[in-house]
Amino acid sequence: GESVGLHLPTLSVQEGDNSIINCAYSNSASDYFIWYKQESGKGPQFIIDIRSNMDKRQGQRVTVLLNKTVKHLSLQIAATQPGDSAVYFCADDLTGNQFYFGTGTSLTVIP
Amino acid sequence: NAGVTQTPKFQVLKTGQSMTLQCAQDMNHEYMSWYRQDPGMGLRLIHYSVGAGITDQGEVPNGYNVSRSTTEDFPLRLLSAAPSQTSVYFCASSDIRGTEQYFGPGTRLTVT
Repeated sequence: GESVGLHLPTLSVQEGDNSIINCAYSNSASDYFIWYKQESGKGPQFIIDIRSNMDKRQGQRVTVLLNKTVKHLSLQIAATQPGDSAVYFCADDLTGNQFYFGTGTSLTVIP
Repeated sequence: NAGVTQTPKFQVLKTGQSMTLQCAQDMNHEYMSWYRQDPGMGLRLIHYSVGAGITDQGEVPNGYNVSRSTTEDFPLRLLSAAPSQTSVYFCASSDIRGTEQYFGPGTRLTVT
């Protein structure tokens, strides 16, 4: 089956710095990827997505980069704020309705 | 527009008991899914539905049943609860295949 893994389980950054969270996936047929943010006690919340025909997508303060050659994607958060503290998950969609989630990276923003 | 709602928020069951976790969405989404989240792990797909009357198994379906009689509701049934089913359960929906999923707030289930 598909496996999705995050490189680091925890990440601490200073407020105002940029954050980079990495994720690797195993199946080269995956064609849709999503990054989710999950705050304590809440459900995952959509941040940004990217399809396999793109290698970069930007949102408000967030950028997702996709490297299909090495099956890797990253989430970059610019000017990290305390409200960005959460667990971040990448997920990929192999079949059109079955998402496989990574184990999550816990981001802590130090004021 | 309430989005995806789940009830109850918390539940404690004894081994062998059965119960139904409720999930409803008011966005007229065709696709709905149930996930479980265990400590230190990502979300794992239990069952999903691509429309009323159609359901299919995900990654970890054993011990759970689902049905989809309406577009809005997608209940998850635990047939005979086991301690291994202690987890946080999330329901999600999306409007078309392969797009962003909206998650409910979760149900925290403990089986003793």
